[in-house]
Amino acid sequence: DVKVTQSSRYLVKRTGEKVFLECVQDMDHENMFWYRQDPGLGLRLIYFSYDVKMKEKGDIPEGYSVSREKKERFSLILESASTNQTSMYLCATQEHGTGELFFGEGSRLTVL
Amino acid sequence: RKEVEQDPGPFNVPEGATVAFNCTYSNSASQSFFWYRQDCRKEPKLLMSVYSSGNEDGRFTAQLNRASQYISLLIRDSKLSDSATYLCVVRVEYGNKLVFGAGTILRVKS
Repeated sequence: DVKVTQSSRYLVKRTGEKVFLECVQDMDHENMFWYRQDPGLGLRLIYFSYDVKMKEKGDIPEGYSVSREKKERFSLILESASTNQTSMYLCATQEHGTGELFFGEGSRLTVL
Repeated sequence: RKEVEQDPGPFNVPEGATVAFNCTYSNSASQSFFWYRQDCRKEPKLLMSVYSSGNEDGRFTAQLNRASQYISLLIRDSKLSDSATYLCVVRVEYGNKLVFGAGTILRVKS
């Protein structure tokens, strides 16, 4: 079974804090994604990566950055958290042939 | 216009009912289509892929209509355990980017 592990299930941070969300996968997938999910808006793509040290902006990259130093690890960084970044963050890996996404359990971030 | 649109519901149906969801997409060059299921406070998981000829998996049937740019999901003989949010997902032409609809909530009641 594909295992996608997100480091924190629940976080509470203050405005202006730097936030790291880590994602680790054990299936050797090249493609990894970060989404945020908000009621009524569905999943929106923040950043994605097709290879180590490679990153591409998704639909809503503003206020975020990412790091992919190793194939199995894809980190999402909020340099200075703001209240409008309160959300559920979902990391996913993608199987090459089918395109199926495998998600982590999600990290629910609250910014006060 | 959103790239992928779904009726948010909720659809409230009794056990044993048949229920259908539709999803429309705006990019005519979209290549692949999926339905994902998301339980409350859980991550999305693939329910089924949608093939051009339509496909069935037990009580679930998925259909694609390229001319009208919509996909559908039919659930027969609904079970309480089918209660979830169903996400329509479209793979756009370029790269591996998948676009998600906002989801349709299904509540099956006894």
